[in-house]
Amino acid sequence: DTGVSQNPRHKITKRGQNVTFRCDPISEHNRLYWYRQTLGQGPEFLTYFQNEAQLEKSRLLSDRFSAERPKGSFSTLEIQRTEQGDSAMYLCASSPPSGRTQYFGPGTRLLVL
Amino acid sequence: QKEVEQDPGPLSVPEGAIVSLNCTYSNSAFQYFMWYRQYSRKGPELLMYTYSSGNKEDGRFTAQVDKSSKYISLFIRDSQPSDSATYLCAMVGGFGNEKLTFGTGTRLTIIP
Repeated sequence: DTGVSQNPRHKITKRGQNVTFRCDPISEHNRLYWYRQTLGQGPEFLTYFQNEAQLEKSRLLSDRFSAERPKGSFSTLEIQRTEQGDSAMYLCASSPPSGRTQYFGPGTRLLVL
Repeated sequence: QKEVEQDPGPLSVPEGAIVSLNCTYSNSAFQYFMWYRQYSRKGPELLMYTYSSGNKEDGRFTAQVDKSSKYISLFIRDSQPSDSATYLCAMVGGFGNEKLTFGTGTRLTIIP
């Protein structure tokens, strides 16, 4: 399967702990996106990379959130000092250089207790 | 007011019926329109992608865009129980705009 992959698929953590998620995009895709989805809502944009450059960040991405894509391949999203309000599905998507369509991974479901 | 409005449903129809799903939007900058299908606890799966006003057909699915009315639709013909899912509309602006703006999703159930 050469689709977008995300790890872990599920994460349960205690409030105040740090968590890190990984996304591996489709291999030819140079653009990578992170979204957050809560129950009953559509995904909301968090941030976007073109190759290794982070080009846009949403106001939703507080100082506790940081994303990296060091070599323009996989990306990580870290949440420091997690809060219960961070509980959500975190989705990664990638897009080819010439296209506008975004292909999503299966998501990482985070539960903060 | 949200940029993209979508009736959350739930919507239940009998197997074989034609399903109509709709979204309205307020931002004239949106130029590309997509429909995603999302099964429970899974990531969104791209179904249809359109750019211009008009219709685009792919098998049992037809996507319709009316930019003058800021209204998009997805029609599903000969609906199957496997079509039961949440359907999300999404849209994005032109060059330099990369973030997708989604509707809330419509939860659809096809009754055998």
